[in-house]
Amino acid sequence: AQKITQTQPGMFVQEKEAVTLDCTYDTSDPSYGLFWYKQPSSGEMIFLIYQGSYDQQNATEGRYSLNFQKARKSANLVISASQLGDSAMYFCAMRETNSGGSNYKLTFGKGTLLTVNP
Amino acid sequence: NAGVTQTPKFRVLKTGQSMTLLCAQDMNHEYMYWYRQDPGMGLRLIHYSVGEGTTAKGEVPDGYNVSRLKKQNFLLGLESAAPSQTSVYFCASRPFGEAGSEDQPQHFGDGTRLSIL
Repeated sequence: AQKITQTQPGMFVQEKEAVTLDCTYDTSDPSYGLFWYKQPSSGEMIFLIYQGSYDQQNATEGRYSLNFQKARKSANLVISASQLGDSAMYFCAMRETNSGGSNYKLTFGKGTLLTVNP
Repeated sequence: NAGVTQTPKFRVLKTGQSMTLLCAQDMNHEYMYWYRQDPGMGLRLIHYSVGEGTTAKGEVPDGYNVSRLKKQNFLLGLESAAPSQTSVYFCASRPFGEAGSEDQPQHFGDGTRLSIL
């Protein structure tokens, strides 16, 4: 079974609208971390936002917020007021403690390609 | 402010040739990682290192070797390149996480696009 599932290969959104990118995860570890990265067409990987499994509040970073539903094992990324520059591939990733101790390995989903239309 | 630098950015190899990809970070990070990215597959971990002189296998280690002789450098070697190793390779690093802030994000290089004919 996949540890990180991103069910939307592609998403379209109108400029200035909000969009939600889905991410579900599978772990039996009580302590884990969830990350979102952005990969524009230029190829670099840009860290966006992080949510710890024990965090009581949903993480926010500017126009990015993470809708963390622990019981459903989902960590959806919400982008508010989409901009043309948000067009990119978005990856959800998870760090588990029992993946070998303190090595902080990440497991990535397959990504969602977001296109923002003018 | 270089961050994580990967060398080379592009390379074309013939099957059976060998090469080494270099990753250098100037942030004094403890942990370093090599990933490959293939279409529709996301990023998959090849090898990683938790400190100078240490390396360990990731999810897809076959056909690759690594070395971390210096803290700032993490080398990925292909001894006998195969077409299946055509991919984009990313190096990443992250600092040691102090108690209470274990989850530091990984910082990525810009990638190396490798084609094997």
